[in-house]
Amino acid sequence: EAQVTQNPRYLITVTGKKLTVTCSQNMNHEYMSWYRQDPGLGLRQIYYSMNVEVTDKGDVPEGYKVSRKEKRNFPLILESPSPNQTSLYFCASRKVGGDRDTQYFGPGTRLTVL
Amino acid sequence: GENVEQHPSTLSVQEGDSAVIKCTYSDSASNYFPWYKQELGKGPQLIIDIRSNVGEKKDQRIAVTLNKTAKHFSLHITETQPEDSAVYFCAASKGPGGSYIPTFGRGTSLIVHP
Repeated sequence: EAQVTQNPRYLITVTGKKLTVTCSQNMNHEYMSWYRQDPGLGLRQIYYSMNVEVTDKGDVPEGYKVSRKEKRNFPLILESPSPNQTSLYFCASRKVGGDRDTQYFGPGTRLTVL
Repeated sequence: GENVEQHPSTLSVQEGDSAVIKCTYSDSASNYFPWYKQELGKGPQLIIDIRSNVGEKKDQRIAVTLNKTAKHFSLHITETQPEDSAVYFCAASKGPGGSYIPTFGRGTSLIVHP
């Protein structure tokens, strides 16, 4: 089954404690992306990657890091989480060069930073 | 950069009624407009899209219209059903696939009352 998986689905942590949210896709997609979703603000892109070892900032990259060492994985790293990073996070992937923006989204990770 | 405005933020209708969600965009170079549906507890899923060389597109009970001159596009859902209840996002980009990154609207929460 074609899918994007994220782990963990729920996470409560404290300020300053480094964490990683993993994202993996099994569709051999070149493009992967991270979004955060906040009430009233919709989906805002954090980082994206067009292929292995190619990453770029989205609209709200501050406080986040990513890496793309393998095509299927795109982890999101919060080196020193702060309460304003409490949010719902989605990973997405799609094929580069397709004729539709068929982004496949993961199920989401709800992060709470105390 | 691109700015996408979406209205209303909440829409409540009776089962069987029609629902219309409107979006405007700012960048005249945008030429691809996907719509996503997000059900509770899940990631967004592409439901319909339209390119700028087309004025209207239908898929069963959903349709999207585009007015390129006025820079606005709308999602129309006819004969609404309770399972249509979800958050809907519009987006705009300079093209599907490739390196084009969509800008999302803030979302519309559609509630269909039985």
